[in-house]
Amino acid sequence: AQSVTQLGSHVSVSEGALVLLRCNYSSSVPPYLFWYVQYPNQGLQLLLKYTSAATLVKGINGFEAEFKKSETSFHLTKPSAHMSDAAEYFCAVSRSGSARQLTFGSGTQLTVLP
Amino acid sequence: DGGITQSPKYLFRKEGQNVTLSCEQNLNHDAMYWYRQDPGQGLRLIYYSQIVNDFQKGDIAEGYSVSREKKESFPLTVTSAQKNPTAFYLCASREGSGTGELFFGEGSRLTVL
Repeated sequence: AQSVTQLGSHVSVSEGALVLLRCNYSSSVPPYLFWYVQYPNQGLQLLLKYTSAATLVKGINGFEAEFKKSETSFHLTKPSAHMSDAAEYFCAVSRSGSARQLTFGSGTQLTVLP
Repeated sequence: DGGITQSPKYLFRKEGQNVTLSCEQNLNHDAMYWYRQDPGQGLRLIYYSQIVNDFQKGDIAEGYSVSREKKESFPLTVTSAQKNPTAFYLCASREGSGTGELFFGEGSRLTVL
């Protein structure tokens, strides 16, 4: 079985501040991990993915995430928030990379304050 | 430009009516997926298809049906048997298997009155 927990359904940061969105997973086998972003009334777009290569993964729009096996975490960070980062972010885990086995977290809504 | 087109974007229906949501992709992807999104619950898989003329139930298939007669098309029918059909529906596709990226359409918001 596998699951994903996103801590904090809503996160607010000031423009220019650090963005930290938390994701913890459980998986009986080494996982594949993903972060997706969703803007209002749109589909999801892949930000980055971890597939057992480098533990620090860089994605689009300045985001990155670090896979920490000992903490079963895959937190998403960005050094300096921009107004355009306001969106909902989803962490997802898959045992094999298969979309059939992809489990999504419940999402974190990021608000960026001016 | 290649992508996934979902239609309609907004749909209102009365209780007891079947509705069909369209999903078309021109990415030449083999696999296609339907997800349901409810506030605070993330995405849940309804049906998926890895090749033409074949599809499989996902985690919440009850009250839904699909077909895959063409590679580029994967329509979803929300039947009257679906107890709570009001939701945001997302179609996605992926090239083959493995860890390839899921590409999503812009979604269809269904409201049942």
